[in-house]
Amino acid sequence: KQEVTQIPAALSVPEGENLVLNCSFTDSAIYNLQWFRQDPGKGLTSLLLIQSSQREQTSGRLNASLDKSSGRSTLYIAASQPGDSATYLCAGSNFGNEKLTFGTGTRLTIIP
Amino acid sequence: EADIYQTPRYLVIGTGKKITLECSQTMGHDKMYWYQQDPGMELHLIHYSYGVNSTEKGDLSSESTVSRIRTEHFPLTLESARPSHTSQYLCASSDLLGGYTFGSGTRLTVV
Repeated sequence: KQEVTQIPAALSVPEGENLVLNCSFTDSAIYNLQWFRQDPGKGLTSLLLIQSSQREQTSGRLNASLDKSSGRSTLYIAASQPGDSATYLCAGSNFGNEKLTFGTGTRLTIIP
Repeated sequence: EADIYQTPRYLVIGTGKKITLECSQTMGHDKMYWYQQDPGMELHLIHYSYGVNSTEKGDLSSESTVSRIRTEHFPLTLESARPSHTSQYLCASSDLLGGYTFGSGTRLTVV
């Protein structure tokens, strides 16, 4: 069974800094890895989807990478802004099983 | 605009009442899911469906039930609500590439 871990649980950084969020998973047979953003009391907003055949995806200031051999994914946020403050969740699914397993998330605070 | 909608957004209800949480999507996705999330905790899958007339229980045991009579509609029902059911319920669907889209969620409080 896939298990997903995100460390740290919370992170505060000054505005303008670049930062990296980490996600680890136990099963290297991971098929898809998806990063989401969740604002307090809200649903999830999809940020980036990395499929099995891909190593990274980019959208604007966001870049996500996937290294199946080491069981890690990272989300890189460039030039952070206060509006980036939210909880970031990573989730993975295995081949033939599209059910996502979620990590507990990293709560990010960007300090103006 | 293609999207996924959940109603109600907030619900406060008394113990023993029957409730139905609505979820509809306009993207034509075959696969739909219900997740439960307690405050500050991770999401747990409670139900999923891979198409019409197909429903399965997820990883977390739940007293709720679901139905999938139409592709676009995936309601969740609690026959007799209890305070232990207080939580946020999130509906999602996935496309052919496995990318998920989530609704805004229903925050349920049972008093």
